[in-house]
Amino acid sequence: QSVLTQPPSVSAAPGQKVTISCSGSSSNIGNNYVSWYQQLPGTAPKLLIYDNNKRPSGILDRFSGSKSGTSATLGITGLQTADEADYYCGTWDTRLSTVVFGGGTNLTVL
Amino acid sequence: QVPLQESGPGLVKPSQTLSLTCTVSGGSISSGGYFWSWIRQPAGKGLEWIGRIYTSGSTTYNPSLKSRVTMSVDMSKSQFSLKLSSVTAADTAVYYCAREGWLSYYFDYWGQGTLVTVSS
Repeated sequence: QSVLTQPPSVSAAPGQKVTISCSGSSSNIGNNYVSWYQQLPGTAPKLLIYDNNKRPSGILDRFSGSKSGTSATLGITGLQTADEADYYCGTWDTRLSTVVFGGGTNLTVL
Repeated sequence: QVPLQESGPGLVKPSQTLSLTCTVSGGSISSGGYFWSWIRQPAGKGLEWIGRIYTSGSTTYNPSLKSRVTMSVDMSKSQFSLKLSSVTAADTAVYYCAREGWLSYYFDYWGQGTLVTVSS
């Protein structure tokens, strides 16, 4: 059972937009920065979003992040089959004194 | 780019100590302003943060693993290390080393990961 809750799977058609939610509490998302990662099969996670909504150099603006209260959302526009991967959110939990991650969301581009 | 590479035994016997080293290329580990972390992922499961170390040697561990974890840093070799004692089959996972942003809790560079299996 992960501290941060993500839907196990989402799907959308090529070219469409999808959003992935990450729900937490005041001890984690509510008071700390959120980051998002993309993990392609058999590879290490890749940072997509940090500090809630900032993109590292080289990450396309098709990827966006937002936070409201104790929830965060990753948005992906112009879906491509290459976007099929697992996506994780992460943050610090002040009460648990540890970095916590969501359980991951598997994206299928139909 | 900040290349990171994990190394260590791929097979550890139950009750023994798992030892891994992460080599940071280009001397980046000494530049300061970042933490250096370990994260693991059991097959088919999610990510679990193990802990972090700063170049000063200061450490923060996941409370759920704290009693079994020791991290160290060797600036001369641009390496940081993980030791996890009293391992069981539940510790079987891909172990990643990663660079962690200062007080923002994001991981911007990752090693490729190394599979450690705990089995007799």
